[in-house]
Amino acid sequence: DGGITQSPKYLFRKEGQNVTLSCEQNLNHDAMYWYRQDPGQGLRLIYYSQIVNDFQKGDIAEGYSVSREKKESFPLTVTSAQKNPTAFYLCASSSYGTGYGYTFGSGTRLTVV
Amino acid sequence: KNEVEQSPQNLTAQEGEFITINCSYSVGISALHWLQQHPGGGIVSLFMLSSGKKKHGRLIATINIQEKHSSLHITASHPRDSAVYICAVRTGTASKLTFGTGTRLQVTL
Repeated sequence: DGGITQSPKYLFRKEGQNVTLSCEQNLNHDAMYWYRQDPGQGLRLIYYSQIVNDFQKGDIAEGYSVSREKKESFPLTVTSAQKNPTAFYLCASSSYGTGYGYTFGSGTRLTVV
Repeated sequence: KNEVEQSPQNLTAQEGEFITINCSYSVGISALHWLQQHPGGGIVSLFMLSSGKKKHGRLIATINIQEKHSSLHITASHPRDSAVYICAVRTGTASKLTFGTGTRLQVTL
């Protein structure tokens, strides 16, 4: 079945370390997104990519980096510059062909200690 | 003021009750999404609509473009409907979404 795979589900890191979250999709979707979710807040956009080798900053891009070398993959790196990295991270994808219907991954819960 | 406002924030219902969750937005939109998030965190897309009404099983979503308002209804609610329901809008030709803060629904026996 087609879908989005995020890994790992839970991730613990020490403060000051960079960490990369994986997101892979086999839906042939053009666009991919990274969102951050904090308690009591709506999902906020970190980065998005509408085609391979191109991506744009979202509303809270500071302290994060991404790459889009393959259509299927959109990894997110949380750098040591991110002041408050502990959060739930969701990856999503969509396609113009589906009227921008969205598919979401199951998320990665990152805890920085 | 958030672009997308949901009400209520929390909702408790007994099994079998009819449930309504509301979403108001302040900008012109090209589509509105209703999403469901279970305790594990994963999100499932329930509906995407730009006009009128859609129905899937016990779920019904409506939208009034002139009033900038959408509702999600659940008929004959069941404990397995317990989740956070999120409204999100897409504006213009962009594909990215703006999200409401969600409505936490608990359905008890």
